[in-house]
Amino acid sequence: DIQMTQSPSTLSASVGDRVTITCRASQSISSWLAWYQQKPGKAPKLLIYKASTLESGVPSRFSGSGSGTEFTLIISSLQPDDFATYYCQQYNSYSPTFGQGTKVEIK
Amino acid sequence: QVQLVQSGAEVKKPGSSLKVSCKASGGTFSSYGISWVRQAPGQGLEWMGGIIPIFGTTNYAQKFQGRVTITADESTSTAYMELSSLRSEDTAVYYCARQRSVGSFFDYWGQGTLVTVSS
Repeated sequence: DIQMTQSPSTLSASVGDRVTITCRASQSISSWLAWYQQKPGKAPKLLIYKASTLESGVPSRFSGSGSGTEFTLIISSLQPDDFATYYCQQYNSYSPTFGQGTKVEIK
Repeated sequence: QVQLVQSGAEVKKPGSSLKVSCKASGGTFSSYGISWVRQAPGQGLEWMGGIIPIFGTTNYAQKFQGRVTITADESTSTAYMELSSLRSEDTAVYYCARQRSVGSFFDYWGQGTLVTVSS
């Protein structure tokens, strides 16, 4: 299986901050990467797919980049609603795998 | 609007089996993949397997091979996940999720079903 590693595991930030989350794949996955946001007690929500395509309805302060083995999710100006856990997921293989998650906390 | 509605919470004994349902509405059920993803308490997301209803083909994570069975009933737009030989480590929230295309990302998710395995 392709292993996905996110960093950091936890991130403390303030409203208005620029936030960067990194996701690394154990082998090349081209651009077959998605990002999700999950709030406590809720199902994950799709934010970005194909590494950089914003899902319909997702605010433009979210952006994604990268290809191959290294990917980045950026929140340009953190809003109160953005405090949550974020997961990357590869779908290069028929066995999709997720990163371990990055929790964005209030500083 | 696509909706995936799952069956309710369950408490199971170790060694027993579990069957969770996921009813889809608002979209073309058969044309998409449906997967099952679980999340143990305080842990991350773990893909278990999926099905493409129109073909009936399934794909399971190696970890669950032999213990999980995923099926779909096109007539009711419902997918099912059955997990056998339950143990305490199977305590988790189980989600169904739709894949926009075969083997791709998950664009719609069910609300989750809490399964507690305890003697």
